[in-house]
Amino acid sequence: RKEVEQDPGPFNVPEGATVAFNCTYSNSASQSFFWYRQDCRKEPKLLMSVYSSGNEDGRFTAQLNRASQYISLLIRDSKLSDSATYLCVVKGGGSNYKLTFGKGTLLTVNP
Amino acid sequence: GAVVSQHPSRVICKSGTSVKIECRSLDFQATTMFWYRQFPKQSLMLMATSNEGSKATYEQGVEKDKFLINHASLTLSTLTVTSAHPEDSSFYICSASSRVLYGYTFGSGTRLTVV
Repeated sequence: RKEVEQDPGPFNVPEGATVAFNCTYSNSASQSFFWYRQDCRKEPKLLMSVYSSGNEDGRFTAQLNRASQYISLLIRDSKLSDSATYLCVVKGGGSNYKLTFGKGTLLTVNP
Repeated sequence: GAVVSQHPSRVICKSGTSVKIECRSLDFQATTMFWYRQFPKQSLMLMATSNEGSKATYEQGVEKDKFLINHASLTLSTLTVTSAHPEDSSFYICSASSRVLYGYTFGSGTRLTVV
């Protein structure tokens, strides 16, 4: 099983649509979870951290289910500018500061 | 906010030559630097982790004699790809962490093409 596994995509949606990304991780000792976005040929940029209670930032909502080792990201009212690859990222526990990246899911929002 | 400056952004080199990539933290002290490689349509794969003043820790399968990492100061880390081959062509990116800052700051990446 891959350490971090995401929907393979790609997703093509019209503007205004709601889109959901799913991610699972294999290491139950993982402590921190993030969603990053990566534009073509650019560095990843932090979109949001994911907390156990779930968290929302504008049109973006992240959820974490530790029992199922599952993370999700919901984008509401999608914009053209949301087109990017979304990366699920997991950080190890304890003194392990490594980030493990999922392969990413490409989203294209169409006019 | 925290910025990591990575240079060069793009480099083309001949097979057998060496290429040095630099990452500088501009407004904070990067106690730990992570070096990643990303092939097309693949995820970022961690190559090595370096702490200032210590030898880098390489991930399994990454040749330490081929990918030389130096982290001699809290603001500069370098990755040298020695005797580059076409299969080393990839997107290399650094990421810095600090004891005082939350999270990780990525450099803008270096696209290496070996011909």
